[in-house]
Amino acid sequence: NAGVMQNPRHLVRRRGQEARLRCSPMKGHSHVYWYRQLPEEGLKFMVYLQKENIIDESGMPKERFSAEFPKEGPSILRIQQVVRGDSAAYFCASSPRPQGDTDTQYFGPGTRLTVL
Amino acid sequence: DQQVKQNSPSLSVQEGRISILNCDYTNSMFDYFLWYKKYPAEGPTFLISISSIKDKNEDGRFTVFLNKSAKHLSLHIVPSQPGDSAVYFCAAISLLNRDDKIIFGKGTRLHILP
Repeated sequence: NAGVMQNPRHLVRRRGQEARLRCSPMKGHSHVYWYRQLPEEGLKFMVYLQKENIIDESGMPKERFSAEFPKEGPSILRIQQVVRGDSAAYFCASSPRPQGDTDTQYFGPGTRLTVL
Repeated sequence: DQQVKQNSPSLSVQEGRISILNCDYTNSMFDYFLWYKKYPAEGPTFLISISSIKDKNEDGRFTVFLNKSAKHLSLHIVPSQPGDSAVYFCAAISLLNRDDKIIFGKGTRLHILP
């Protein structure tokens, strides 16, 4: 059973471009979470999605950031008009049930975004 | 506002000795605590957890202690091995509130010395 997959592993963008980060959850997992880790910081929650639904986006910046988890295909975290401050490692995690019913989320290897 | 605090950015321990990583939290609604281990260029991996109804949970070389009154938990690794060198994140969640956000500390980098 493959783990959580994220691609690309490294992404370089110039200011003003768009960044698309993809996350394929573990087989059988329908709950996806995105976290961002800034340098020298812990991981910070951004958004929680189930198939075709955003459940909690309280950690997502109001502008330029969006996330989706379509019925088919991976979850996508999209950052429009990237700025230098968006440079970070973005981690996706998945779980088979809501967090309240399980004791852990399984993390992917992360996408390191660098904005020039 | 840092709800989960790991005040030691790094820690060096001799191989074979005990490693003790500390964590403090401020939110009294947290009722479930987790430790994650992270190697460079990899995602965090779950290590051990503890519910607030317990004060100790043990899994092999890893033991987590919870002191609710002090809002403090610690991870003990004994004996420490070279492969334990990694960044350890303390994390907390409020299951009673059915909150899905895991709140992470900033991490402690553990170096196991030969």
